[in-house]
Amino acid sequence: QVTLKESGPVLVKPTETLTLTCTVSGFSLSNARMSVSWIRQPPGKALEWLAHVFSNDLKSYSTSLKNRLTISKDTSKSQVVLTLNNVDPVDTATYFCVRMISGGSYSFDYWGQGTLVTVSS
Amino acid sequence: SYVLTQPPSVSVAPGETASVTCGGNNVGSKSVHWYQQRPGQAPVLIIYYDSDRPSGISERFSGSNSGNTATLTISRVEAGDEADYYCQVWDSSNHHPVFGGGTQLTVL
Repeated sequence: QVTLKESGPVLVKPTETLTLTCTVSGFSLSNARMSVSWIRQPPGKALEWLAHVFSNDLKSYSTSLKNRLTISKDTSKSQVVLTLNNVDPVDTATYFCVRMISGGSYSFDYWGQGTLVTVSS
Repeated sequence: SYVLTQPPSVSVAPGETASVTCGGNNVGSKSVHWYQQRPGQAPVLIIYYDSDRPSGISERFSGSNSGNTATLTISRVEAGDEADYYCQVWDSSNHHPVFGGGTQLTVL
């Protein structure tokens, strides 16, 4: 059974760094067909892809946020960590950890429940 | 970067057929994936590679993709289909996924 679970702070102050951890089970982060992405969704708004990390540790970031984002993985712990620095109230959103599967294209077949992060002083 | 355009909302009566479109430049040359997001829940993959359904997804959901438009079709719409629907492709030029802006389906 594949599961992904996000953990991290509920409330972050402006200018601070947000650190989120995704713990996965039911698959290995070393599987070449699978990778983990972070996707966020501000309240009432659309999905926004942030970053992903592949099994070979190749990373990719949203163009608009790449200067503030860092993604990393610890295969032995089955964890993927996302950091977003210098947060602002516009970063308030539900953050989802998602498995991305490849096979010619890439789709998101398993999603975590999401964690709502509020940026406020 | 690549852009996908969806209508903000679609309304349909129960039992009727709903069509949700996803427009993009030559989107027919890409594989389109669709997600359903019910209020307060995480998205669920309902169509992948234009028209395939994951295990457990109702056959009332179908997809097509040609030219500049991909379409999600929901037949015999039920109240439980009321949700937001997102299309997604892989932007091979920039090596990252792209989502449409989402369509809110209302069942009248």
